[in-house]
Amino acid sequence: EDKVVQSPLSLVVHEGDTVTLNCSYEVTNFRSLLWYKQEKKAPTFLFMLTSSGIEKKSGRLSSILDKKELSSILNITATQTGDSAIYLCAVAPTGANSKLTFGKGITLSVRP
Amino acid sequence: DVKVTQSSRYLVKRTGEKVFLECVQDMDHENMFWYRQDPGLGLRLIYFSYDVKMKEKGDIPEGYSVSREKKERFSLILESASTNQTSMYLCASSLSPSGSGAKNIQYFGAGTRLSVL
Repeated sequence: EDKVVQSPLSLVVHEGDTVTLNCSYEVTNFRSLLWYKQEKKAPTFLFMLTSSGIEKKSGRLSSILDKKELSSILNITATQTGDSAIYLCAVAPTGANSKLTFGKGITLSVRP
Repeated sequence: DVKVTQSSRYLVKRTGEKVFLECVQDMDHENMFWYRQDPGLGLRLIYFSYDVKMKEKGDIPEGYSVSREKKERFSLILESASTNQTSMYLCASSLSPSGSGAKNIQYFGAGTRLSVL
């Protein structure tokens, strides 16, 4: 059974801090790892990492896939209160009708 | 932009009622999913569908059924609602059941917060 573990489960930082969110996985026949941000409602897609694309960056957010350690990190620099959200990590295996397996999420609170 | 619309943001139902949660996507996606999200448990897959009239059980299908009569619409049905089905329900869609890259990305609706009293 595929498994995704995120850590820490929650953290509180102050504006301007840099945070690192962790995701480790166990999956048969790995295809990709996805990060989502969930504020009050719908999770929104941030990044997808694959064996051929192990690093992604968008503004203050960046993510790296470590295929050897079966893990990924999501970095947020110069945090803002608008970064407060639940951050979800998910993995997709290869194969037809493949589903995403999600971690439990990391709740990030950024204080002014 | 992909749009996934869930018919209700908040619902309050009584134990034993039959409940329908509706989801519509406008991007001609083949795959559609229903999850429930509970504190400390994350997103858990209830059912998914990879084609019209096709359905597959997810990790927690007990007490639920689904219907997909049209490609754009995926309904979750609680045959007899119970208090332990109080939860946030999220619908998602993706382009293809297989294939690589962007086809794996799931797009979510805003969620329906269901309370069963």
